[in-house]
Formats: sequence, structure tokens, C-alpha cells
Amino acid sequence: ILNVEQSPQSLHVQEGDSTNFTCSFPSSNFYALHWYRWETAKSPEALFVMTLNGDEKKKGRISATLNTKEGYSYLYIKGSQPEDSATYLCAFRRAGGTSYGKLTFGQGTILTVHP
Amino acid sequence: GAGVSQSPSNKVTEKGKDVELRCDPISGHTALYWYRQSLGQGLEFLIYFQGNSAPDKSGLPSDRFSAERTGGSVSTLTIQRTQQEDSAVYLCASSLGGGDSNQPQHFGDGTRLSIL
Repeated sequence: ILNVEQSPQSLHVQEGDSTNFTCSFPSSNFYALHWYRWETAKSPEALFVMTLNGDEKKKGRISATLNTKEGYSYLYIKGSQPEDSATYLCAFRRAGGTSYGKLTFGQGTILTVHP
Repeated sequence: GAGVSQSPSNKVTEKGKDVELRCDPISGHTALYWYRQSLGQGLEFLIYFQGNSAPDKSGLPSDRFSAERTGGSVSTLTIQRTQQEDSAVYLCASSLGGGDSNQPQHFGDGTRLSIL
């Protein structure tokens, strides 16, 4: 069983605050780490797919870093806005084995940005 | 362009009945995935189709669950003799390539299944 853990479970911030949360995953047999944003009443939306140790990706005010050797990824949101309120999911893809496409998801971090 | 389409969006049925959930992936996407999210749980992998290869069924929770993908496009997830623990949101996703590609998955809006 693969353990993908996200922390914190939930987070409340004020508009304009910067925030970050963590995804930890197995450090062996790493293939890729995905981040998704899931807003209420919508479908999950892909943010990043990260594959290389030390990767840093950015999309607007959101960025992510990856450390495959120690098995963690951080997601940062700069200057949070109410529209950033969503559940942020990370998903781990293992190398090798027979389940090539299988993603194992964490439980998510629920972010609420208060105006 | 058109995204991943799922139907029905909501389904309420009695325990013991069979249900079929449909997923129409993005045109040209060769990989298709089914997940479910039960109340208070994370997204749980169910099954994965890649092109003409045999599907990865390792996530199906019991033999009451089956899925097929016809013509490499539309997929149907069937749950036979539904139980109350099958109540969940069932999400379908597709991606350009599977296998060793690293394409993001594109999700549908899901089917909310409620078993009475």
C-alpha cells in the first residue's frame, strides 16, 4: 500500500496571505507527482506534473517544488484570493510494476481564503 | 474543446439494483481512468484503460464492479447488486497517452451515486 500524505488537512487564510502545504510520498520507485485543484461543484483541474528531483513549476501565483530523495513536494500560493478556495490534491505515480497509469491520491488539503 | 463527459450526473437507486455509469473521454485521449470518492475519503483508483492493452483492474473493490471501453473511446462502469457502501462520487478521467507518458489527467464532473 502506497502512503501519500497531505498536510495540513485544512487551512483558513485571509485574502492576501501567502500559504503553503505539503505532500509526502514514498521516496523509492518515484515516477511522477501530480497536483490538482478541486473546487466545489467542479471537476479536479490539473495544476502540475513534476518528474525531476529539484523541479520547480509555476502557474500564476501558484508554484510547486519537488524533492524525490526525501519524498515531499510543497505547493505555494502567493497572495491568496477567495477564488483559490478549493481542495488541493497531490497524486503519486510509481515507477515499474504493472500499474503504469495508476495515481495514488492523498486526502487533500482544503484551503479556504476569507475576504 | 469538449472535456470529459459523464452521465448521469446523479443516480439514486435501491440496494440490490444494477447501475451503469458512462464516461466519454476527450477525443484522442488514449488513457481512461475511473476513480471514486466515498464520503470522507480520498480519491480511490478503480480501473485504468490504455489503448488496446488489457485494463488494469487492480483497484476494483469486488467482482460486482466491472468496466469496459468500447472502440477505445466511451467507457461504462457497471456495478451489480449495489450495496450502500457503493454510494460515492464516481469520477472518470482521460489523458493523452498513459504508460510511461506524464500527461495530466482531465476529469469529468462525476456521477454522484446514492444507494438507498
